[in-house]
Amino acid sequence: DTGVSQDPRHKITKRGQNVTFRCDPISEHNRLYWYRQTLGQGPEFLTYFQNEAQLEKSRLLSDRFSAERPKGSFSTLEIQRTEQGDSAMYLCASSFPSGSPRTDTQYFGPGTRLTVL
Amino acid sequence: AQSVAQPEDQVNVAEGNPLTVKCTYSVSGNPYLFWYVQYPNRGLQFLLKYITGDNLVKGSYGFEAEFNKSQTSFHLKKPSALVSDSALYFCAVRFLDSGAGSYQLTFGKGTKLSVIP
Repeated sequence: DTGVSQDPRHKITKRGQNVTFRCDPISEHNRLYWYRQTLGQGPEFLTYFQNEAQLEKSRLLSDRFSAERPKGSFSTLEIQRTEQGDSAMYLCASSFPSGSPRTDTQYFGPGTRLTVL
Repeated sequence: AQSVAQPEDQVNVAEGNPLTVKCTYSVSGNPYLFWYVQYPNRGLQFLLKYITGDNLVKGSYGFEAEFNKSQTSFHLKKPSALVSDSALYFCAVRFLDSGAGSYQLTFGKGTKLSVIP
């Protein structure tokens, strides 16, 4: 498998600006997940897609955050009016469809590190 | 409340000695349990998982973990530590009681493993 890829790997922005991150899952995977990881903490779930449908959203996903997966392939995560508290590593993961013996395993990308000045 | 705990922020072990990284969880029902490893500036790499069956699970790079339902624990073990095992280790749980369609993982805070030459 080619792995999960994320772009950009690093993003520095000023408070109040909008940012958008992209995630390309492993091609055979129909599920896609977004997590946020702050320094010294484990990843926290943000949202999950099955194909193009967004099926779960965490309460962490405020109104300033929006995620899309329009064609069931790549996904974007947008943060509007960024705040310093948004500084974190944003991780994307994907997994196989139901019926696969590996359906329960999430495979993670390298992450996008966001710094809000 | 459903939670995952990694009681040790850091574990130090001499090269060649056995290592254990602890994980406990608090949940009703039967969760799915995972271990991931994170190297600096990289995403999470899957090590192993417990879904059902044999309580001793073997995974990548010689790691194994034992599911103990009575103690609600899922400790990660390796018989002989290598310097290259030094990294951040995360325990994660998928709580099935969150809903039949819930795929989100809840992570512990992580344990930094240092293997001393």
